[in-house]
Amino acid sequence: DAKTTQPTSMDCAEGRAANLPCNHSTISGNEYVYWYRQIHSQGPQYIIHGLKNNETNEMASLIITEDRKSSTLILPHATLRDTAVYYCIAGDVGGSRLTFGEGTQLTVNP
Amino acid sequence: GAVVSQHPSRVICKSGTSVKIECRSLDFQATTMFWYRQFPKKSLMLMATSNEGSKATYEQGVEKDKFLINHASLTLSTLTVTSAHPEDSSFYICSAHGTLHYGYTFGSGTRLTVV
Repeated sequence: DAKTTQPTSMDCAEGRAANLPCNHSTISGNEYVYWYRQIHSQGPQYIIHGLKNNETNEMASLIITEDRKSSTLILPHATLRDTAVYYCIAGDVGGSRLTFGEGTQLTVNP
Repeated sequence: GAVVSQHPSRVICKSGTSVKIECRSLDFQATTMFWYRQFPKKSLMLMATSNEGSKATYEQGVEKDKFLINHASLTLSTLTVTSAHPEDSSFYICSAHGTLHYGYTFGSGTRLTVV
């Protein structure tokens, strides 16, 4: 499983877009990029995942570079409830081990 | 969507006793389940991976005799912390992966306190 690198922390103003970067330069061809977030003392919550193409759902958008070495999670209109630790993880669709990096603490400020 | 139920959410036990934590996939069959441990202000640390009907694969440094994992069915995995000690106090989280969806779904976690 590829290692991912994320900034330790980020701040964002409420109502603005939050752009969270992730580097995964050693990602293999069969590994998806998954994003999860964890609010204090809860289990991680699934946000979005993608392989090559950009993806969008009701929570966020995922932009993956053409070489797949990095990606950006976009929360289009951040709210105070989006304050959490965001994890970017590379994992294959076959259900092999999923290991977490340190993640990014996103703080949304009023 | 896929739901994983984890129980109990909190448990306090005495040193030397054993504690069992259950992880159930409610609306899908989980061919693989994962158990994580998390210390305060730290990331999730993978403890073991279990496939239904076979022995769990433990990560390096995790004592398999202390953390017993059973994955007897496609919807249930259990983690038993045997002869618990205060240093086993932690937040334990399970995750499940099924064949019909590509995501990994996590339980809500179990806060274990050993006194």
